[in-house]
Amino acid sequence: AQTVTQSQPEMSVQEAETVTLSCTYDTSESNYYLFWYKQPPSRQMILVIRQEAYKQQNATENRFSVNFQKAAKSFSLKISDSQLGDTAMYFCASLSGNTPLVFGKGTRLSVIA
Amino acid sequence: KAGVTQTPRYLIKTRGQQVTLSCSPISGHRSVSWYQQTPGQGLQFLFEYFSETQRNKGNFPGRFSGRQFSNSRSEMNVSTLELGDSALYLCASSPTSGAYNEQFFGPGTRLTVL
Repeated sequence: AQTVTQSQPEMSVQEAETVTLSCTYDTSESNYYLFWYKQPPSRQMILVIRQEAYKQQNATENRFSVNFQKAAKSFSLKISDSQLGDTAMYFCASLSGNTPLVFGKGTRLSVIA
Repeated sequence: KAGVTQTPRYLIKTRGQQVTLSCSPISGHRSVSWYQQTPGQGLQFLFEYFSETQRNKGNFPGRFSGRQFSNSRSEMNVSTLELGDSALYLCASSPTSGAYNEQFFGPGTRLTVL
């Protein structure tokens, strides 16, 4: 069974600073996908970034990048130049084969002006 | 393209009642998944439907059921509601089923059981 663990329930960061959210996962599959989803307050969940396990290069999307350490089963999200609109719950998730998305418990990020 | 829509957005029921939630996927998407989100348990997978067939089911009691129609719209039903069923119910759609499709989430239905 897949598991996803986010060890930081809450974090805060000053506007324009950089913050890293941690995620570890466990899976027996050799081919899988990892995701970071963002859920702003009272708004719907959107995909921030995704990483294919077979790709060694870390995914990046503008100010968002990941540090994918396959051997350590670690998948952290780095947000650079944090903006007030980044305030949200962030969920790490994994998906493989025909199994459904498995989510971590989430990290509540507050960006402070 | 219109996004995933869920109705109703808010619902208040009492214990013992039943409820039906609806999800309309993005046009052309054939897979619909349902999740329950609570502060204590986080996001938990309920079930996935693809082409009117249930493909996957999470670890929930039989009181939770769902179906998908030929136009890919999906409904989930919870019978004999319990206080613990209070949650945000999210549905997500994707073009097909499987690991290679991004899931697009709806705004959710907030169910409160009194």
